Amino acid sequence: LAKTTQPISMDSYEGQEVNITCSHNNIATNDYITWYQQFPSQGPRFIIQGYKTKVTNEVASLFIPADRKSSTLSLPRVSLSDTAVYYCLVGASNDYKLSFGAGTTVTVRA
Amino acid sequence: NAGVTQTPKFRILKIGQSMTLQCAQDMNHNYMYWYRQDPGMGLKLIYYSVGAGITDKGEVPNGYNVSRSTTEDFPLRLELAAPSQTSVYFCASSRVGQGIGEQYFGPGTRLTVT
Repeated sequence: LAKTTQPISMDSYEGQEVNITCSHNNIATNDYITWYQQFPSQGPRFIIQGYKTKVTNEVASLFIPADRKSSTLSLPRVSLSDTAVYYCLVGASNDYKLSFGAGTTVTVRA
Repeated sequence: NAGVTQTPKFRILKIGQSMTLQCAQDMNHNYMYWYRQDPGMGLKLIYYSVGAGITDKGEVPNGYNVSRSTTEDFPLRLELAAPSQTSVYFCASSRVGQGIGEQYFGPGTRLTVT
């Protein structure tokens, strides 16, 4: 199972773009990269998933370089409500023993 | 759809007591998971199930048991509660395996063992 490394915390201000990079040097060919968001006292919520290049949805973009050894979650124009913990998860369809790392605590200030 | 539901929301146990955390999903997902989250930490997988009648251990299974008699329900049993089991417990489900399946999480059960 690919191990991931993320920064422990990041600070930002409202209206800025936040980029969180996750390192996964031993990612396997069949692995996908998934990001979750967790607010205090709630369960994690799926944000975005990708395999290669770039994926964009209504809340975020995911950039994956050609070697796939890292990925970057981009949150455009953050607001105070984006303050949360963000987790990077790497795995394949037959992975059933994935645990979430400590994640990245993003704090957005006014 | 209610999604993933968990009961109770809060519980205080005395050392040595037992209890069952309930989890149900109405999305007809084959895959279900139990995680625990200690303060300031990530989620650790306790047990998972790939379908009714099939369960297996995750990263931290000691002190817990599970069963999966139906697609909808996946209860987690704590036998002989210990202070180390004080945590927030999350149940999740997905249509396909964790690696590519979007996991849907319940609201959690906050358990304190004293």
